[in-house]
Amino acid sequence: EVQLVQSGAEVKKPGESLRISCKGSGYSFTSYWISWVRQMPGKGLEWMGRIDPSDSYTNYSPSFQGHVTISADKSISTAYLQWSSLKASDTAMYYCARLRRAFDIWGQGTMVTVSS
Amino acid sequence: DIQMTQSPSSLSASVGDRVTITCQASQDISNYLNWYQQKPGKAPKLLIYDASNLETGVPSRFSGSGSGTDFTFTISSLQPEDIATYYCQQYDNLASITFGQGTRLEIK
Repeated sequence: EVQLVQSGAEVKKPGESLRISCKGSGYSFTSYWISWVRQMPGKGLEWMGRIDPSDSYTNYSPSFQGHVTISADKSISTAYLQWSSLKASDTAMYYCARLRRAFDIWGQGTMVTVSS
Repeated sequence: DIQMTQSPSSLSASVGDRVTITCQASQDISNYLNWYQQKPGKAPKLLIYDASNLETGVPSRFSGSGSGTDFTFTISSLQPEDIATYYCQQYDNLASITFGQGTRLEIK
């Protein structure tokens, strides 16, 4: 079965760092881009950026450039989304998704809550 | 960035109704347009890719059309399980992807 499995929910304080993960299975991980998508509580979907797991080349949405880092370890078929200093406004559900011409496979989502 | 204007933002319809959602791009995106369904508490699900192609396993009551800047998503006969929020998404440039604002569909 083709799937993306994300790491569990996180509760963090402002200023803390965080890395969440997305592990692919059932397909060739290096053959598809992986994207991250944010959904703030009660809001719509926002594309954050993408990574080519074969060479770790990345593109970011201007809205997220410099605020997050997307990386991947192809040896373990895992992509990551990382923050160096969280803000309360980072509270959201984060999805990874497999991308070719469309987001055809999605992870189950990781809820990140940032609160003092 | 290409902006996607999706309408309506919410919609109430009866079981069996024909439902239509539109999405307008701020510039020509050819057929680089996908549609997703998101049910509460769940990840989005791909329904239509490249404007008019039905994803495998998706019921045939869902369809999409359009090209250039104007696109339409249709449910031919609304079913109770179709209650969800629907999003369009463009990929004219895979380095800059954008979603529409979403349409919340409710049963009347």
